[in-house]
Amino acid sequence: GEDVEQSLFLSVREGDSSVINCTYTDSSSTYLYWYKQEPGAGLQLLTYIFSNMDMKQDQRLTVLLNKKDKHLSLRIADTQTGDSAIYFCAEIIYSGAGSYQLTFGKGTKLSVIP
Amino acid sequence: DGGITQSPKYLFRKEGQNVTLSCEQNLNHDAMYWYRQDPGQGLRLIYYSQIVNDFQKGDIAEGYSVSREKKESFPLTVTSAQKNPTAFYLCASSGTVNTGELFFGEGSRLTVL
Repeated sequence: GEDVEQSLFLSVREGDSSVINCTYTDSSSTYLYWYKQEPGAGLQLLTYIFSNMDMKQDQRLTVLLNKKDKHLSLRIADTQTGDSAIYFCAEIIYSGAGSYQLTFGKGTKLSVIP
Repeated sequence: DGGITQSPKYLFRKEGQNVTLSCEQNLNHDAMYWYRQDPGQGLRLIYYSQIVNDFQKGDIAEGYSVSREKKESFPLTVTSAQKNPTAFYLCASSGTVNTGELFFGEGSRLTVL
């Protein structure tokens, strides 16, 4: 299919780890991205991973990439109430004529319970 | 500070009226984009522009129009031909084309009464 797939909701307790999963479509994608959207606001790029990497860590964020299964995950350690937001997975797909298009998943709404 | 400014934040429109959403950036970015966001639908690309005086249709361009007369500005007009215009509209820019590193504005919420 053409869609980037994510589960729509995730609920975790404050202090626990959150794992947000994503399945992407194009095995030739060079970069994969995670964006965060707080309520009523625009999206903010959180992190990205190059396709020749398996893992990338940035403070509380860990991105894991399984190219064989086209599976991407974002782990947030020690989840805080400020992490409550919608998280979007995105991939770059070649759209023809030398152009690439960024395709987003539908987003996972993370709710952090105090 | 550099960034993207969208206005207005909230807009109400009667059916049959055209409305224009503003998007201005001072990041000196070449590429600009308009997305539509509906609950549970993620982001869908309306139009994008890689350079001044040039733009391309995205996945859901019908009922919308854009212009790119200046590098800093990429206004979106929602015309009366758009059958379901109530949505959250997001403008973005990037320093280069063919990248996934986008900078987003705060969005404009359009409600058609």
